[in-house]
Amino acid sequence: DQQVKQNSPSLSVQEGRISILNCDYTNSMFDYFLWYKKYPAEGPTFLISISSIKDKNEDGRFTVFLNKSAKHLSLHIVPSQPGDSAVYFCAANSGPSGAGGTSYGKLTFGQGTILTVHP
Amino acid sequence: GAVVSQHPSWVICKSGTSVKIECRSLDFQATTMFWYRQFPKQSLMLMATSNEGSKATYEQGVEKDKFLINHASLTLSTLTVTSAHPEDSSFYICNCPIRTEAFFGQGTRLTVV
Repeated sequence: DQQVKQNSPSLSVQEGRISILNCDYTNSMFDYFLWYKKYPAEGPTFLISISSIKDKNEDGRFTVFLNKSAKHLSLHIVPSQPGDSAVYFCAANSGPSGAGGTSYGKLTFGQGTILTVHP
Repeated sequence: GAVVSQHPSWVICKSGTSVKIECRSLDFQATTMFWYRQFPKQSLMLMATSNEGSKATYEQGVEKDKFLINHASLTLSTLTVTSAHPEDSSFYICNCPIRTEAFFGQGTRLTVV
């Protein structure tokens, strides 16, 4: 049962344009969402997160949007740069106040989307 | 951000041997650490929760006797893959939560031949 889904395995974007990465989830207990960037044979690097009480969070070129009713979130990168080329994972968590009192480190990941930004 | 160090970054071992992977939090204390693995072209899957001073809790389908976890101090958790087999070849990675974030180690590429 894939509770977090990234339906696009890959995305190709021209440098300077916007990259939009999508993520859907099914577990309504998730209340905290994170995006990670990962290079091959390295650990994921945290990018940005959003709590379910918000619908938008912005940090520099990265903006995450959350639509709770649709159980959908997206990561916007603008302008895209060649150095952004990597695998992007969305992850979800029920947080310490969620069911089972899980920690923020106990994450359910999507399958990842390979982003390629062309010069 | 916080630094989590994982060692070794890659290891090749013979089938039947055991491999120990270390995960250290370098500038903070972590009472809880998490171990994940990633098979090729698949997502990161949680294996177990490592709790300092107590037994680890394992996710369904993960053999606790095969994947031994020890969290003896607030800065170190170890994962030992016992009697490794080729199907255990994977990318193993730990993470340490701090407040509302989770920081990952660099990962360990295990290849069992």
